[in-house]
Amino acid sequence: DGGITQSPKYLFRKEGQNVTLSCEQNLNHDAMYWYRQDPGQGLRLIYYSQIVNDFQKGDIAEGYSVSREKKESFPLTVTSAQKNPTAFYLCASSLRTAGLGNQPQHFGDGTRLSIL
Amino acid sequence: EDQVTQSPEALRLQEGESSSLNCSYTVSGLRGLFWYRQDPGKGPEFLFTLYSAGEEKEKERLKATLTKKESFLHITAPKPEDSATYLCAVQNGGTSYGKLTFGQGTILTVHP
Repeated sequence: DGGITQSPKYLFRKEGQNVTLSCEQNLNHDAMYWYRQDPGQGLRLIYYSQIVNDFQKGDIAEGYSVSREKKESFPLTVTSAQKNPTAFYLCASSLRTAGLGNQPQHFGDGTRLSIL
Repeated sequence: EDQVTQSPEALRLQEGESSSLNCSYTVSGLRGLFWYRQDPGKGPEFLFTLYSAGEEKEKERLKATLTKKESFLHITAPKPEDSATYLCAVQNGGTSYGKLTFGQGTILTVHP
């Protein structure tokens, strides 16, 4: 079945440590996104990528980094510079918008990151 | 700046008691309004896309409608399995990459 796989489901970060969240999709989608979800708040966009080897900052990119070396994969690194990393992280993908912009995004089941 | 406000924050219904969820939005040129369902500990599941005022879409007990300022998600004769958080999101016509602005969600609980 086609879908988006995020791993791990739960992740713990120590002080000063960088951690990487995995996102893999087999939907043949060009565009991929990372969101952060906090209790009582809407999803907020961290980074997005419309094509391999290209990505752009979203609304809350500080303290995060990404790479897009393969179409299927869009890993997110939470660096030690992110002072409040505890949240539910969601990866999404969609068909490339190419200016149309109305293709729905499909989501993985998230990674919950906590501080030790 | 695009804004999405959902109400109520939480809604408790008895099984079979129909109701509606509201999504009010301000956006510079609406390109699409999206409804998602999210179960605890899971990612959002896509339900509907609405493109223009007057449009309606249905799926089982759910019906989504759209005006120029708001969207409603009507739930007819809900069942306990409809319990979830329902998210609304809008897409700005000025963006070229499909950015979504989400509301904070409505938590729906349906009691048997």
